[in-house]
Amino acid sequence: DAGVIQSPRHEVTEMGQEVTLRCKPISGHNSLFWYRQTMMRGLELLIYFNNNVPIDDSGMPEDRFSAKMPNASFSTLKIQPSEPRDSAVYFCASSLSRSNEQFFGPGTRLTVL
Amino acid sequence: DAKTTQPPSMDCAEGRAANLPCNHSTISGNEYVYWYRQIHSQGPQYIIHGLKNNETNEMASLIITEDRKSSTLILPHATLRDTAVYYCIVRVAFGNAGNMLTFGGGTRLMVKP
Repeated sequence: DAGVIQSPRHEVTEMGQEVTLRCKPISGHNSLFWYRQTMMRGLELLIYFNNNVPIDDSGMPEDRFSAKMPNASFSTLKIQPSEPRDSAVYFCASSLSRSNEQFFGPGTRLTVL
Repeated sequence: DAKTTQPPSMDCAEGRAANLPCNHSTISGNEYVYWYRQIHSQGPQYIIHGLKNNETNEMASLIITEDRKSSTLILPHATLRDTAVYYCIVRVAFGNAGNMLTFGGGTRLMVKP
């Protein structure tokens, strides 16, 4: 298995632009998570899907952020409009519901100028 | 989820055992102790988890005190590749919340030659 796949690996954009991050979970996993990591705030859970349905989005910082999971093999995290403070590494993880282990992707490093 | 307290950093000599402590004095009866680690520039990786009994797998051992208020992760023979940030996480065992991880600051372990 290729593991959790994220694209792009690096994204540099200008303030105000729309950014879309993509994630392909491990086949068969039915839970998907989006995390954000910064030096100041550490690793934060943004949103969690179970069976393609958003279960907890309390970590989504504001309305500029939105996440979708149209099917079991694909999810997107969109930021519109982007701001410099959104610069971070965004991780996607997947697991089986109530599994002991979440599998993390390699992350997308986002820089907003 | 119960709050955890870990030392911010530790050093260990290569080949020696690394003992990483974690305090979780407010843990409740339905909460497990999980350990993840994050090697530089990678996503977090699951190591081990336990409820009340000591656990061992191919990566590490987990020792949980009888009152469950603290635990120690043991890497029996640390190598340079074990240099990473180690996160101790307490999470409930059931329900949707049981799928969610809350990362604290972790312990930065530096294995030295």
